[in-house]
Amino acid sequence: SAVISQKPSRDICQRGTSLTIQCQVDSQVTMMFWYRQQPGQSLTLIATANQGSEATYESGFVIDKFPISRPNLTFSTLTVSNMSPEDSSIYLCSVEDPRTGVQETQYFGPGTRLLVL
Amino acid sequence: GQNIDQPTEMTATEGAIVQINCTYQTSGFNGLFWYQQHAGEAPTFLSYNVLDGLEEKGRFSSFLSRSKGYSYLLLKELQMKDSASYLCAVPRGDYKLSFGAGTTVTVRA
Repeated sequence: SAVISQKPSRDICQRGTSLTIQCQVDSQVTMMFWYRQQPGQSLTLIATANQGSEATYESGFVIDKFPISRPNLTFSTLTVSNMSPEDSSIYLCSVEDPRTGVQETQYFGPGTRLLVL
Repeated sequence: GQNIDQPTEMTATEGAIVQINCTYQTSGFNGLFWYQQHAGEAPTFLSYNVLDGLEEKGRFSSFLSRSKGYSYLLLKELQMKDSASYLCAVPRGDYKLSFGAGTTVTVRA
């Protein structure tokens, strides 16, 4: 399976600031996904990032708050803008996982733990 | 859209068996996934069912009934390391997944 790294692994930020999270994959993948997991909650999809096109955002998430870049097939960034304490969460990127032969299978990065004060 | 329900918490004793149920409602069915997530870690793929019946993989088995919109994950011979959250997920038909809220399993000695 793919090896995914995320930077930073954790951060503590002040409200009103922005943080950019990087996701690096060791192989080329078509689709990359960004999720948020708030404390004690399940995974909520923020957006899908495809190389060469604009990210597709889920209901409740907007580009101004969560701008995404996807400059090539192995890398993506998610920025959490103008942060508030409600943005404290784990942010995870994921990619297609071909092991099952099912396109919807996803393989997750280690996550970025964000605390906003 | 998808509506996925699973119990919030379950507790069991080491060596025992636990069954985690998941019911779903989806407009177009294309399989069901189970993921395991240890505290502070990323979710990891456990199983995928697309046909009715039981699929066994060592101590873990997953069952699906498409007509009932129902699945379960069976954990046998529980070990302390099985303490984790177990997430049921269904594809949305556009290469994305919808996750249930997760079931936290606590294994006691």
